[in-house]
Amino acid sequence: AQSVTQPDIHITVSEGASLELRCNYSYGATPYLFWYVQSPGQGLQLLLKYFSGDTLVQGIKGFEAEFKRSQSSFNLRKPSVHWSDAAEYFCAVGVNQGGKLIFGQGTELSVKP
Amino acid sequence: DTEVTQTPKHLVMGMTNKKSLKCEQHMGHRAMYWYKQKAKKPPELMFVYSYEKLSINESVPSRFSPECPNSSLLNLHLHALQPEDSALYLCASTLDGTGRAYEQYFGPGTRLTVT
Repeated sequence: AQSVTQPDIHITVSEGASLELRCNYSYGATPYLFWYVQSPGQGLQLLLKYFSGDTLVQGIKGFEAEFKRSQSSFNLRKPSVHWSDAAEYFCAVGVNQGGKLIFGQGTELSVKP
Repeated sequence: DTEVTQTPKHLVMGMTNKKSLKCEQHMGHRAMYWYKQKAKKPPELMFVYSYEKLSINESVPSRFSPECPNSSLLNLHLHALQPEDSALYLCASTLDGTGRAYEQYFGPGTRLTVT
């Protein structure tokens, strides 16, 4: 069965520090992978996506993610975190049925001044 | 225009009321989605409309009734809801609902409280 695992429920980093949010997926075919961010009480905003090609993808707001097929991972990174990055982050895989997304449980990011 | 709009932003309703949520997009997308999201949880898919036809109903109770009057508009009619239905209701759209390769664009949501 398809699934997405985000092992870290909550992460706290200092402003200016680097960030890595982990995501592991289980999917039988070539995965189409997404990272979304959600600020409190808001909708989800797409940060980046991976369909094929270069395994290092660049997104908005200075985020990047690396697809590693051998590890079934799609980790999100940012070299220097800003206070405004504090939010909930969701990793998701696209599945065939009606363009559905299977979401991970989310990682809440807090940023210390 | 890459925006999905949702109205109202907030809604408080009693268990005997009937109300509707509205979602609109003008990106030419042909698939639209309703999600329910509880606090600190990922969105849960409720319904998918693809080319204005209901393609997925994730076993949602009949007190939720979706409607897609045209390719730009999606409604969710609510009747006899329970307090546990209180949540953020998100609408999303994507280019095509027949595949998995397209990113979904989300609206800001309607915060629903059932009293």
